[in-house]
Amino acid sequence: EADIYQTPRYLVIGTGKKITLECSQTMGHDKMYWYQQDPGMELHLIHYSYGVNSTEKGDLSSESTVSRIRTEHFPLTLESARPSHTSQYLCASSPGGAARFFGPGTRLTVL
Amino acid sequence: AQSVSQHNHHVILSEAASLELGCNYSYGGTVNLFWYVQYPGQHLQLLLKYFSGDPLVKGIKGFEAEFIKSKFSFNLRKPSVQWSDTAEYFCAVNDASNTGKLIFGQGTTLQVKP
Repeated sequence: EADIYQTPRYLVIGTGKKITLECSQTMGHDKMYWYQQDPGMELHLIHYSYGVNSTEKGDLSSESTVSRIRTEHFPLTLESARPSHTSQYLCASSPGGAARFFGPGTRLTVL
Repeated sequence: AQSVSQHNHHVILSEAASLELGCNYSYGGTVNLFWYVQYPGQHLQLLLKYFSGDPLVKGIKGFEAEFIKSKFSFNLRKPSVQWSDTAEYFCAVNDASNTGKLIFGQGTTLQVKP
């Protein structure tokens, strides 16, 4: 069982709100990732980190930002949510190489 | 740009039937290939992976995949499916620099009828 956690699991908010999606892992992995997935579509990498104080944008443009102050924590923030941000957000981690463990996801709906 | 194509979006099989899910990728260089599975209500998890060596890779739960470089394919197979194999299956590729950045296919929903 993978020790990677995401909160909240479901979130419904109004346009313009600031939100932070939490992701934590207890495995000490250096590499962490955020993927975005729309229903019936492929996962798209939006952010990744190779360790503390390391963050990079992924292949899919996103208006979100991330931080990596601690190894185990990789939160994603939307400063002003819009309906176009409605999606599922998956966090993942790996000791090396490609994403190995995925969290349960946060399903975000912006009204 | 790299891309991954999964030909079957929704597959329905009866128990004991054989399974083959197609996956093709577009990248001319050395690649690492993966199949992930997501069972209903569960996390996405790694099913099997190919980095190098024997192109026939065996994964968990009786699944296997064959890498055919000339066809840019990495099809997933299982000789006899079970009802518990009902899930969504994703093929993914990353380049050999092993940065960990994965390109995913759209996924295939497999429904196995008991």
